[in-house]
Amino acid sequence: GQQLNQSPQSMFIQEGEDVSMNCTSSSIFNTWLWYKQDPGEGPVLLIALYKAGELTSNGRLTAQFGITRKDSFLNISASIPSDVGIYFCAGLNGAYGQNFVFGPGTRLSVLP
Amino acid sequence: GAGVSQSPSNKVTEKGKDVELRCDPISGHTALYWYRQSLGQGLEFLIYFQGNSAPDKSGLPSDRFSAERTGGSVSTLTIQRTQQEDSAVYLCASSHGQVPNQPQHFGDGTRLSIL
Repeated sequence: GQQLNQSPQSMFIQEGEDVSMNCTSSSIFNTWLWYKQDPGEGPVLLIALYKAGELTSNGRLTAQFGITRKDSFLNISASIPSDVGIYFCAGLNGAYGQNFVFGPGTRLSVLP
Repeated sequence: GAGVSQSPSNKVTEKGKDVELRCDPISGHTALYWYRQSLGQGLEFLIYFQGNSAPDKSGLPSDRFSAERTGGSVSTLTIQRTQQEDSAVYLCASSHGQVPNQPQHFGDGTRLSIL
């Protein structure tokens, strides 16, 4: 079936550093989503991308929908301690939600 | 409330018992999903409901697992004869299934522990 790969699997960074993570697939997706999960909570939607090449920002977060429609990246600028968590990408390939695929996640740790 | 609500938030039970987990989706969302998340792992798809259509049960790991969605709103996930490997966080999500390409919104999950 369809699979998403996320890299890196985990990362440790110093507070204030910029972060970059990506998500790749062998399949084409119509929509790319990025979620963040804090411990003990459900994933929360950060950014949604709907068009190939689209670049979208949400505060310190920036995400892009790859031109090939097979990848996406998420950047976090000037990291802070509350950025700690697991970041999941998700691809949607059916118009009405029946083909949602989640990546395995990137675990981010921020050192003070 | 405005978000997806799940209950109970925590459940501890003995091996062999049946458990029921509940999910209240966002009002108006016709699509509802259940996922399982083991400690430190990703999201394992279990089942998907869309309106009145037959659910996609392709992710259910065994016949001990079943789910219902009554009236197109609230859903219950039932695990019969629980095993220790069923211990995990069970997450529910909903989306606006009548509008294309809409993201899922998650509840905070039920943390299930099988003793």
